Amino acid sequence: DQQVKQNSPSLSVQEGRISILNCDYTNSMFDYFLWYKKYPAEGPTFLISISSIKDKNEDGRFTVFLNKSAKHLSLHIVPSQPGDSAVYFCAAISTTSGTYKYIFGTGTRLKVLA
Amino acid sequence: DTGVSQDPRHKITKRGQNVTFRCDPISEHNRLYWYRQTLGQGPEFLTYFQNEAQLEKSRLLSDRFSAERPKGSFSTLEIQRTEQGDSAMYLCASSLPLEETQYFGPGTRLLVL
Repeated sequence: DQQVKQNSPSLSVQEGRISILNCDYTNSMFDYFLWYKKYPAEGPTFLISISSIKDKNEDGRFTVFLNKSAKHLSLHIVPSQPGDSAVYFCAAISTTSGTYKYIFGTGTRLKVLA
Repeated sequence: DTGVSQDPRHKITKRGQNVTFRCDPISEHNRLYWYRQTLGQGPEFLTYFQNEAQLEKSRLLSDRFSAERPKGSFSTLEIQRTEQGDSAMYLCASSLPLEETQYFGPGTRLLVL
């Protein structure tokens, strides 16, 4: 049972345009969500997070939107740069369940074309 | 460098051998996590320590897997009698108490022949 889903395995975007990466979840107990970027042969690097009490969080070129009713979150990157090319994972956690494990999606490979 | 470090970065072993990986968390982080990532998948949780106490273990962590965190500092993950299905990237992460963000190390890539 995949509780966190990233249905687009890959995405190509032109440099300077907006990249939108999507993530859906099924467990209504999840209340904190994170996005990580991963380059080949490296560990995931934290990008941005959002608590379920918010619907938007912004950090520079990165904005995460959360739609709790749809159990959907998205990461917007504006403007996209070639260095953003990587695999992006969304992760979810239930902070009230007593567990500290992240549940990750399967990732979306973003390619930003120069 | 004050990030999470892992050693070795790569390990090739023959089926049936034992392997041990080490993780050094960020110094003030008391929580430490192990994840495993296979090709085309996201990282999957294996186990979690708060200080030296192992508080949670995944069903993925079979009897051949053992993790320790003596003195609440570095951690080791040992796999006994390795199988080809153990081939994966093993990731370590750490976090501060009362914070949700986990910071990952570079991983140890294991190949079992």
